[in-house]
Amino acid sequence: AQTVTQSQPEMSVQEAETVTLSCTYDTSESDYYLFWYKQPPSRQMILVIRQEAYKQQNATENRFSVNFQKAAKSFSLKISDSQLGDAAMYFCASPLGGGADGLTFGKGTHLIIQP
Amino acid sequence: NAGVMQNPRHLVRRRGQEARLRCSPMKGHSHVYWYRQLPEEGLKFMVYLQKENIIDESGMPKERFSAEFPKEGPSILRIQQVVRGDSAAYFCASSPRRRGTGDYEQYFGPGTRLTVT
Repeated sequence: AQTVTQSQPEMSVQEAETVTLSCTYDTSESDYYLFWYKQPPSRQMILVIRQEAYKQQNATENRFSVNFQKAAKSFSLKISDSQLGDAAMYFCASPLGGGADGLTFGKGTHLIIQP
Repeated sequence: NAGVMQNPRHLVRRRGQEARLRCSPMKGHSHVYWYRQLPEEGLKFMVYLQKENIIDESGMPKERFSAEFPKEGPSILRIQQVVRGDSAAYFCASSPRRRGTGDYEQYFGPGTRLTVT
């Protein structure tokens, strides 16, 4: 089974600073999507950003960007100008593998924003 | 365009009872996925359905769990004879297309928190 590893159970950053959350994954597929989801205390899963593996350019959504290293199977999330509302659990997700449509998730990183 | 709807948001069942969780996908979405989240864990895939078809149930426990997505109405995740270990948050997601057929992402509902007493 494919696995997603988030090695940072918790990260803390000062408001307005930049923080990077790490993620590595394991897939044998050549074409796939990767995702970062945010889960605030409400527990709603909110899509933050996605990356198409065949695209060389790293995805960017406002203050959120990724560093996608396909050969290393690394997919980190950078949050610039951190805001109090960014405080949440962040989950990295990749395909289950074997052509399946389902996703497999990492265990998450708890992001704390210090005012 | 309303998002993915799930109800109930909270469900309490005694051991041995049945739990029915409902999911209405986003308008125009015919692909539904169910995931389970245990405390302090990420989401675990359970089942993928299209209208009237179960496409992938590789993550479903072999017993007591079933899912359906009828031609009309919401998708249902059914858990029979619940046990304490079934206590978890159950999330439904939907997408407008299969992976590999265009832009792909899964939109999640707010989840149903099942507590078994």
